[in-house]
Amino acid sequence: AQSVAQPEDQVNVAEGNPLTVKCTYSVSGNPYLFWYVQYPNRGLQFLLKYITGDNLVKGSYGFEAEFNKSQTSFHLKKPSALVSDSALYFCAVRDSNNAGNMLTFGGGTRLMVKP
Amino acid sequence: NAGVTQTPKFQVLKTGQSMTLQCAQDMNHEYMSWYRQDPGMGLRLIHYSVGAGITDQGEVPNGYNVSRSTTEDFPLRLLSAAPSQTSVYFCASSYSSPYGGANVLTFGAGSRLTVL
Repeated sequence: AQSVAQPEDQVNVAEGNPLTVKCTYSVSGNPYLFWYVQYPNRGLQFLLKYITGDNLVKGSYGFEAEFNKSQTSFHLKKPSALVSDSALYFCAVRDSNNAGNMLTFGGGTRLMVKP
Repeated sequence: NAGVTQTPKFQVLKTGQSMTLQCAQDMNHEYMSWYRQDPGMGLRLIHYSVGAGITDQGEVPNGYNVSRSTTEDFPLRLLSAAPSQTSVYFCASSYSSPYGGANVLTFGAGSRLTVL
């Protein structure tokens, strides 16, 4: 079985400060890891993914995520937060041995960036 | 590019009523899926399809039916709505890989369903 945990329901940061949204996962094989963002009244949008290779993955809108196999984590980061980054963020995992492209999503973390 | 289109955006039902949530994609994606989103629980997979004529159950399939007669359309049917089915429903699609590729899902804008 595969699972994802996002330990923080909400993260508050001031505009211009760095932000981190945490994600830990559990899979039996090698993970495919994803971050999606949801703006109010919208569907989820893809931010970035890790498949293999470099542990630091760069994605859309200046976001990046660091894959840490020993800690089974895939934290989302951005060096300087914008008010427009305020949204709901979802981490997702799929076991690379799991055919069918089924993803398991975390519960989501609401990011609030204050001016 | 329309992407993934869901209708209706909002619906209110009474317990026991039936309805169909429509989902259509114009990207020739083989894989389509339905999720429900509930506060604090993330997205949970209801049903999915890896191609026309092929459907399978996800994590929470009870109370829902699906069919896939064409590549483009993947409707979700609630046969007898219950208050526990009050949720936001998302349809998502992607190119599929029989070996489990890391394909990105494209989501619709969602359908908010309230069952009284």
